[in-house]
Amino acid sequence: DGGITQSPKYLFRKEGQNVTLSCEQNLNHDAMYWYRQDPGQGLRLIYYSQIVNDFQKGDIAEGYSVSREKKESFPLTVTSAQKNPTAFYLCASSRYTGTAGEKLFFGSGTQLSVL
Amino acid sequence: EDQVTQSPEALRLQEGESSSLNCSYTVSGLRGLFWYRQDPGKGPEFLFTLYSAGEEKEKERLKATLTKKESFLHITAPKPEDSATYLCAPVWDSGGATNKLIFGTGTLLAVQP
Repeated sequence: DGGITQSPKYLFRKEGQNVTLSCEQNLNHDAMYWYRQDPGQGLRLIYYSQIVNDFQKGDIAEGYSVSREKKESFPLTVTSAQKNPTAFYLCASSRYTGTAGEKLFFGSGTQLSVL
Repeated sequence: EDQVTQSPEALRLQEGESSSLNCSYTVSGLRGLFWYRQDPGKGPEFLFTLYSAGEEKEKERLKATLTKKESFLHITAPKPEDSATYLCAPVWDSGGATNKLIFGTGTLLAVQP
């Protein structure tokens, strides 16, 4: 089945530690995204990538980093500079950006908590 | 400032009791609007895309409509399995290479048997 796989489902971060969230898609989509979801808030865009080896900051990129070395993969690193990392992280993909009708397909999410 | 507001924040219905969820927005250059369903601890699942005022789309017990300033998600004779959080997301022309999309905070729907 085609889809987006996020791992792990749950992740715990210690103080001062960097952690990496995995996102893999087999939909052959060009665009990939990372969102953060907090209780009572809408999904907020962290980073997005329109093509391999290229990515742009979203609305809340500080304390996060990404890479896009392969079309299928878009890992997110939560660095120690992110002081409030506890949240539900969602990876998404679309065929491409720039067209209103291109819906996003989401993974099942990773819940990150601070120890 | 571009904004999206969903109301009510939470809604409790009896099975079979129809109602509507609202998504209002203040964006310029609307290109379309998405509706998603999200179950607890899972990613959002796509429901509908609406492109222009007056457009309607249906799927089982759900019907989505769009005007220039808001969208409604009508739920007819809901069942307990319709319980979820419903998210809307207008898409508009940000003037750059990509369109901008912003998600509302959602309406938490609980349908009791």
